[in-house]
Amino acid sequence: QQQVKQSPQSLIVQKGGISIINCAYENTAFDYFPWYQQFPGKGPALLIAIRPDVSEKKEGRFTISFNKSAKQFSLHIMDSQPGDSATYFCAASVAGNQFYFGTGTSLTVIP
Amino acid sequence: DTAVSQTPKYLVTQMGNDKSIKCEQNLGHDTMYWYKQDSKKFLKIMFSYNNKELIINETVPNRFSPKSPDKAHLNLHINSLELGDSAVYFCASSQAGASLGHFGAGTRLSVL
Repeated sequence: QQQVKQSPQSLIVQKGGISIINCAYENTAFDYFPWYQQFPGKGPALLIAIRPDVSEKKEGRFTISFNKSAKQFSLHIMDSQPGDSATYFCAASVAGNQFYFGTGTSLTVIP
Repeated sequence: DTAVSQTPKYLVTQMGNDKSIKCEQNLGHDTMYWYKQDSKKFLKIMFSYNNKELIINETVPNRFSPKSPDKAHLNLHINSLELGDSAVYFCASSQAGASLGHFGAGTRLSVL
């Protein structure tokens, strides 16, 4: 059973555009929602994270939007750059004890 | 200085063999994990150890046996390797209750 559902599976964006990746969950016990970026041949790297008491968190060009009632959260990458081309994973955890990952989104930013 | 290091980076072996993957973290974290990433890049937790004690075992065949000699090390031993074990295995660490922020570079296991 997939605890966190992620879409789209792949995404192609022009340089300078906005990349949007969406995730949804069912378990209302989840209290921590991180996003990870993974380049080929590397391990996932923590990008940005949010807790459900906040509706939005921004770090540089990366923003997480969180909708607690809809049990959805999304990653927005503003001014997307070719260097952002990677696979992005959303995740969810309960008290930081076990992390469930989405199925990943392969982002390609075209110059 | 690598925070979470795994060895080997690549592992090619025949079906039926036994192999081990080693993981070490120098961050002082008390929790370590093994994740399996399949060919579709799906990341699935296998094991979690907190202070050398197993706290999560996610329906992993008992051919997989984690060993934690101390809280800085979590090794993965796999017996009787099968074709379906081919994947990339990631070690990770965190402080309990905090974000899962540190993954190793992965070990690509190919079973022939």
